[in-house]
Amino acid sequence: DTEVTQTPKHLVMGMTNKKSLKCEQHMGHRAMYWYKQKAKKPPELMFVYSYEKLSINESVPSRFSPECPNSSLLNLHLHALQPEDSALYLCASSQERGGPDTQYFGPGTRLTVL
Amino acid sequence: GNSVTQMEGPVTLSEEAFLTINCTYTATGYPSLFWYVQYPGEGLQLLLKATKADDKGSNKGFEATYRKETTSFHLEKGSVQVSDSAVYFCARLTDSWGKLQFGAGTQVVVTP
Repeated sequence: DTEVTQTPKHLVMGMTNKKSLKCEQHMGHRAMYWYKQKAKKPPELMFVYSYEKLSINESVPSRFSPECPNSSLLNLHLHALQPEDSALYLCASSQERGGPDTQYFGPGTRLTVL
Repeated sequence: GNSVTQMEGPVTLSEEAFLTINCTYTATGYPSLFWYVQYPGEGLQLLLKATKADDKGSNKGFEATYRKETTSFHLEKGSVQVSDSAVYFCARLTDSWGKLQFGAGTQVVVTP
């Protein structure tokens, strides 16, 4: 089973709202990732967690706050977003961080900020 | 700097035609290379990968060979179907931190 699940599939929020995106995997992977993908562009890495510790933050604005409660779950807390933050948010996981390990992606959450 | 370069799309083909999508990379050393596919409205799916020079990845009729001499990882399929219509991303693993660097993506449209 190489499944990464994400909820919700779609999210519409105002600029003053607080919302969370959720990601889950049960493959025993120890590295998890958040990516942002704008239309007709490749995914851009936002955060990497390795063994539940944040190991990479690609200079993402503080209105995005990641959390890794345990090895299977990854959350992305959203607060005071801007319309330009509207995008597809993808979660991925891999056995370990780095090496030749494949990253497996979830279906994404399509976020619209009004 | 280090990069992944893909041929621009869209690439429009008839069903049963031969598909090639070029991908080249620049890097120090020999990074692991991947092809991911993204169907409309979905996330990315791994299509195939190669972890060292001369490796050939294959899946669902698609193939790509890691060629260190030309720093290339071109994707090929001998006979495409309408269901192969998607965006294809070439990617390399940049370093031990697990960062994937993607090419710009190539949209493929297969018509009946």
